[in-house]
Amino acid sequence: KAGVTQTPRYLIKTRGQQVTLSCSPISGHRSVSWYQQTPGQGLQFLFEYFSETQRNKGNFPGRFSGRQFSNSRSEMNVSTLELGDSALYLCASSPPGDNEQFFGPGTRLTVL
Amino acid sequence: EDKVVQSPLSLVVHEGDTVTLNCSYEVTNFRSLLWYKQEKKAPTFLFMLTSSGIEKKSGRLSSILDKKELSSILNITATQTGDSAIYLCALPGGGADGLTFGKGTHLIIQP
Repeated sequence: KAGVTQTPRYLIKTRGQQVTLSCSPISGHRSVSWYQQTPGQGLQFLFEYFSETQRNKGNFPGRFSGRQFSNSRSEMNVSTLELGDSALYLCASSPPGDNEQFFGPGTRLTVL
Repeated sequence: EDKVVQSPLSLVVHEGDTVTLNCSYEVTNFRSLLWYKQEKKAPTFLFMLTSSGIEKKSGRLSSILDKKELSSILNITATQTGDSAIYLCALPGGGADGLTFGKGTHLIIQP
């Protein structure tokens, strides 16, 4: 079974721009979660989608948003980028009824 | 607010040593506790502990859940340089499927 895939793997943007990251979960997984990882804060939960609906959202500003499509693929968008948004963005998918999450390789975003 | 605290934050040992990593937690509704290993890229799953499965073992790695003390330990025996990584502890949040992670323990195994 193919793992979770994320694109792009690396991205460089400037302040004020917006960015869209993509995640394809493992086949059969309908839950997709997004995390931000920085050296100072560690891994922090952004939001979780299930069947095209956002089920929960972490403590991030409204500039961070996401969506999920009918094939369970998910995108997250960050608008009006700030320097502090530089981070590794990880996507994870879960099988039905299971707490275990399988992570993708991440997208490394650098904001200049 | 759910909290996960890991200790130590970093640890340097020699190959062959045994290490014990700690994770303590405060969550509204305990469902499970997960351990992950993160090398250069994404975290990879190690163990999931639940109320009905409080001890897990895989090769040189083992983990125990202490529900009374609200904590878990991850043991690695006969460490190897390939065990060098960040070890993350995580719990599902109350009512949500998002995981709350600790800051991790950065383990370095010296040859």
